[in-house]
Amino acid sequence: NAGVMQNPRHLVRRRGQEARLRCSPMKGHSHVYWYRQLPEEGLKFMVYLQKENIIDESGMPKERFSAEFPKEGPSILRIQQVVRGDSAAYFCASSRGGGITYNEQFFGPGTRLTVL
Amino acid sequence: DQQVKQNSPSLSVQEGRISILNCDYTNSMFDYFLWYKKYPAEGPTFLISISSIKDKNEDGRFTVFLNKSAKHLSLHIVPSQPGDSAVYFCAASGNLGGTSYGKLTFGQGTILTVHP
Repeated sequence: NAGVMQNPRHLVRRRGQEARLRCSPMKGHSHVYWYRQLPEEGLKFMVYLQKENIIDESGMPKERFSAEFPKEGPSILRIQQVVRGDSAAYFCASSRGGGITYNEQFFGPGTRLTVL
Repeated sequence: DQQVKQNSPSLSVQEGRISILNCDYTNSMFDYFLWYKKYPAEGPTFLISISSIKDKNEDGRFTVFLNKSAKHLSLHIVPSQPGDSAVYFCAASGNLGGTSYGKLTFGQGTILTVHP
């Protein structure tokens, strides 16, 4: 399967725990993006990364959220001390080209985070 | 500030007829637009895109029209099929400086239902 892969597909956490969401981009893609979809809303941009670099994190909440895309392995979106308002679907996308020109982003199936 | 708006939450169409989904944007710096289809519990699937140097782009049953002066784009699906029933999102990016094409701004989505 050459598509964007995300795991886990479903994640349940209690308030105060940590959530780690993983994303492997499509083969040949080196640009990764994270989006969040709250219930009844569209997708909202969170962060754009290349290998070992955060390119744009203008959509990331200032606290508790972090993202990385190491040289080896998947991209990780980390949410510390989760609260009920973090419950959402988190989507990862990847693209071949970067953010300096037109590029089509291809999305993974998402991780549905539920905070109890 | 909703920069990309899909004012119709839902659309119902008979199989074989044309489906027209609309999208308006407010930021005149947007110059690249994409349409995605999304089924429940899945990630968005890229359908078609258009840059501002064109006013029409066609791919099989899908055609996107762009009216820059009105800041309006539409997706036409002809003929509509029951399998087209899904949520459709328009998204925009633009030359806002730096790596801004890496950030897609999404509309709220339109639920399309195609009746047999």
